[in-house]
Amino acid sequence: DAGVTQSPTHLIKTRGQHVTLRCSPISGHKSVSWYQQVLGQGPQFIFQYYEKEERGRGNFPDRFSARQFPNYSSELNVNALLLGDSALYLCASSRRTGVGGTYEQYFGPGTRLTVT
Amino acid sequence: DAKTTQPNSMESNEEEPVHLPCNHSTISGTDYIHWYRQLPSQGPEYVIHGLTSNVNNRMASLAIAEDRKSSTLILHRATLRDAAVYYCILRGQTGANNLFFGTGTRLTVIP
Repeated sequence: DAGVTQSPTHLIKTRGQHVTLRCSPISGHKSVSWYQQVLGQGPQFIFQYYEKEERGRGNFPDRFSARQFPNYSSELNVNALLLGDSALYLCASSRRTGVGGTYEQYFGPGTRLTVT
Repeated sequence: DAKTTQPNSMESNEEEPVHLPCNHSTISGTDYIHWYRQLPSQGPEYVIHGLTSNVNNRMASLAIAEDRKSSTLILHRATLRDAAVYYCILRGQTGANNLFFGTGTRLTVIP
């Protein structure tokens, strides 16, 4: 089975621009989460979607938004890009969410965003 | 989510066992202990998780203290491929599926 896929792998944007990052979960996984990883730090949680509904939001400004489609793929959108948005954006999928605390997450390779 | 504390870095010789410690003194009774690792230039990878009892899988073993305030990830024979940043994370049983990563332990494996 294919793992979590993300596109694009790299991109360069200018301050003030908008970006859309895409993620396809593992087949059968209904939950998708997004993380931002700045160089030298651990990943920081941005959003979680399950069955097309937002189930969790991290401490990120409203410039960050996301959605999940009927096929469980997901998009992360960032508006009005700042230099500080330069990071590796990771997508993770899991079968379920919520009760149990046991569902492991499977991460994609990430999208490297550079804002100049 | 409760906080975890890990050493910033550790070294191990190849083919020797490695014990990666994690302190979580504020863990609640329903928090699971998860370990992930991140190899260079890759996304994090699930390693193992447990609640109260020690756990073993093909990748590693997880030893959980009786009071659950600390745990140790054990790699039985370190290989060069095990060089990574290892994250110890606590996860509650309800709510969102998000993981709260700290800074982790950077493991260096010496040939």
